[in-house]
Amino acid sequence: EDKVVQSPLSLVVHEGDTVTLNCSYEVTNFRSLLWYKQEKKAPTFLFMLTSSGIEKKSGRLSSILDKKELFSILNITATQTGDSAIYLCAGTASKLTFGTGTRLQVTL
Amino acid sequence: DGGITQSPKYLFRKEGQNVTLSCEQNLNHDAMYWYRQDPGQGLRLIYYSQIVNDFQKGDIAEGYSVSREKKESFPLTVTSAQKNPTAFYLCASSQPGLATPTGELFFGEGSRLTVL
Repeated sequence: EDKVVQSPLSLVVHEGDTVTLNCSYEVTNFRSLLWYKQEKKAPTFLFMLTSSGIEKKSGRLSSILDKKELFSILNITATQTGDSAIYLCAGTASKLTFGTGTRLQVTL
Repeated sequence: DGGITQSPKYLFRKEGQNVTLSCEQNLNHDAMYWYRQDPGQGLRLIYYSQIVNDFQKGDIAEGYSVSREKKESFPLTVTSAQKNPTAFYLCASSQPGLATPTGELFFGEGSRLTVL
């Protein structure tokens, strides 16, 4: 059975801090890893990673995939209160398998 | 604007009643999905459909049923056989590609079902 594990489960940081969220996966016939941000209801897409070692960046967010170690990280630099959300990662084969998510709270 | 519409947003039902959650998309996507989200458990796949008139069970299909008679519609019925139906339900769609079999998922706003 495919499995995706995220850590930490929750995290509280101060505005301006840098955070690293972790995602490990065991997905048969793995094709890609996706990151989503869920603030209230609908998760919104952040990144799709298919190649190992190539960093993807979007503003203060960046992510990288290690297909040898079956691992991905999501970095957020200079965090803001608007970054407070649940961050979900998912491994894809013929379907997506989601992790439990990391709840990030950014305080003033 | 293109997107996914779920209805109703909130739903209360008595135990033992079947309920149907609506999901409509105008993105022209082939694939549609239903997920259930409980606190601390992330998103779990209930059913998915990769083409009209075809669907497959996900990881937690027991007590649920779906249909896919039209490309844009993928309703989910929560039956009385589902032992713990109170949850947040998310519908999603995607356009699978060769490099990414599932494609990027686009989500609806969700339906929160509470069984009294």
